[in-house]
Amino acid sequence: EPEVTQTPSHQVTQMGQEVILRCVPISNHLYFYWYRQILGQKVEFLVSFYNNEISEKSEIFDDQFSVERPDGSNFTLKIRSTKLEDSAMYFCASVRGREGETQYFGPGTRLLVL
Amino acid sequence: SQQGEEDPQALSIQEGENATMNCSYKTSINNLQWYRQNSGRGLVHLILIRSNEREKHSGRLRVTLDTSKKSSSLLITASRAADTASYFCATGVIYGGSQGNLIFGKGTKLSVKP
Repeated sequence: EPEVTQTPSHQVTQMGQEVILRCVPISNHLYFYWYRQILGQKVEFLVSFYNNEISEKSEIFDDQFSVERPDGSNFTLKIRSTKLEDSAMYFCASVRGREGETQYFGPGTRLLVL
Repeated sequence: SQQGEEDPQALSIQEGENATMNCSYKTSINNLQWYRQNSGRGLVHLILIRSNEREKHSGRLRVTLDTSKKSSSLLITASRAADTASYFCATGVIYGGSQGNLIFGKGTKLSVKP
């Protein structure tokens, strides 16, 4: 069964460093999302992406964040200058595109900013 | 309270018993989805129920949706130790024909004792 994959599974970085989190959505899906979950808290929406542009973004998704679909398969989240509070599990999700479709989540990348 | 609030926050039962988790939300929705998360792992989609549906079954799972009360319940019958996990409801809204982001609740932590 097709699934969303994410790399790396874990990333440790120093505050102020740039990180790029990678996702490969399910191949025939058209809508892509990033969410994050700070330890012990609920999953929060960051950004959605469709047709090579951002559809929606939350207030968490500030100028330090960017997303890109550099080729036909990868979907990346970049954090330009990481802060301690960016430490979280980051999930990528994708949807095929028809109304009311299930969002399939990847296994997540656990980011630790020191 | 926030969109997608589950109760109880924690539930401990014996193997073989049924587990019921509830979710309330505030705004109009197009669908409601339930996810399971094992400790520190990814989100596994369990079931999606649309706003025009009242009940849905999948294996040992039964989901109900009452849009007049803005609430949903997830029933797991004949629970197993492997059902031990956190369960989240997530509400979805369609914007302009495309799937918007999901808003997650804080989750119910279910513990099934063998």
